[in-house]
Amino acid sequence: DAGITQSPRHKVTETGTPVTLRCHQTENHRYMYWYRQDPGHGLRLIHYSYGVKDTDKGEVSDGYSVSRSKTEDFLLTLESATSSQTSVYFCAISESPGQAQYFGPGTRLTVL
Amino acid sequence: KNEVEQSPQNLTAQEGEFITINCSYSVGISALHWLQQHPGGGIVSLFMLSSGKKKHGRLIATINIQEKHSSLHITASHPRDSAVYICAVGYNNNDMRFGAGTRLTVKP
Repeated sequence: DAGITQSPRHKVTETGTPVTLRCHQTENHRYMYWYRQDPGHGLRLIHYSYGVKDTDKGEVSDGYSVSRSKTEDFLLTLESATSSQTSVYFCAISESPGQAQYFGPGTRLTVL
Repeated sequence: KNEVEQSPQNLTAQEGEFITINCSYSVGISALHWLQQHPGGGIVSLFMLSSGKKKHGRLIATINIQEKHSSLHITASHPRDSAVYICAVGYNNNDMRFGAGTRLTVKP
């Protein structure tokens, strides 16, 4: 299995609070992705990174920001969490676009 | 309308049956992926295709670029194949779009 971890694995927070999710990889892959998975919508891309300090928006980026200060870590921040951001968040990595992606175990976030 | 359509949404089979899951997409892509999501939630990449056919064990994936269609086949299905199978397409701009998934249940 690819070395990808996500932290925390579960989080409950209140509306309006900031939340940061961390994705950590030990594979030295250049590309990292954040997705959310919701019933009825499947997986949707939030943001992705193609290198240190290089990031771009995905399909559902509003309300989220990301940072990648080193190859192994990709952070997803909800500046002011809303109930609509209750979801399961998956991180993924790949060596290059179009190549197989390896997924982390997911983080279940509940915003009350 | 979703850019990636999967069928069927749900599929129940008896152990040993041959299974086919279909995926159609609407615009040109750089690659198509098949993923498996286990009941516990973990997601595993099964195949990445840009043309032709790939085989891994009892799993076979095919893609027809002209028809914008891919199929995932499972031969000699087993209860441990029970999972959600997800089709995803990648575009040249690094965007990825996912189908809603096909929930497969294989009964002993």
